Amino acid sequence: GAVVSQHPSRVICKSGTSVKIECRSLDFQATTMFWYRQFPKQSLMLMATSNEGSKATYEQGVEKDKFLINHASLTLSTLTVTSAHPEDSSFYICSAEDRSWDTGELFFGEGSRLTVL
Amino acid sequence: RKEVEQDPGPFNVPEGATVAFNCTYSNSASQSFFWYRQDCRKEPKLLMSVYSSGNEDGRFTAQLNRASQYISLLIRDSKLSDSATYLCVVNKVNSGYSTLTFGKGTMLLVSP
Repeated sequence: GAVVSQHPSRVICKSGTSVKIECRSLDFQATTMFWYRQFPKQSLMLMATSNEGSKATYEQGVEKDKFLINHASLTLSTLTVTSAHPEDSSFYICSAEDRSWDTGELFFGEGSRLTVL
Repeated sequence: RKEVEQDPGPFNVPEGATVAFNCTYSNSASQSFFWYRQDCRKEPKLLMSVYSSGNEDGRFTAQLNRASQYISLLIRDSKLSDSATYLCVVNKVNSGYSTLTFGKGTMLLVSP
């Protein structure tokens, strides 16, 4: 099946720094990728929809200047958490849909656990 | 009413038991439905899609009731390895883009 790779899997940073997370579709082209955030014991919350070659669409309440998304190619989307603060500590997961199968199934990256000190 | 609602559990069952989860959704325009499994501190993985006619995959059976807007997952002969959180996921396609809404998940704990 399709594979989505996410990197890094775990990152610890100081408050005020920026962190970049990469999401790659390894064996298919993804015109659209999705970024989610999951707090402990909570469901996945969609943060933004990343569209190749155009601006991302952010969900209500998600600051686009804080969570910068770049989808420069059909296989790579990046999420940059700028000026991270402890409340940004969370599990960030990307996903992509392999449209060639038209099943609606999403393939998820392994997730990135961010801890901001 | 939340878009996708699930009983968070946990459901504590012994090995070999049969357990069922329900999930209700509020948007009647929802087009496809899935059950994902998420292990602790891992990414979700597709368990099975849910078809209108109902579908079965080994010990797992999924049902969809569009009239009542709920889906269900039945697990027979539970194994220890079934312990996980089961996420109900509802997909709506709009202008070619998918919008997925996740339930909070139902935790299953299978004990020896």
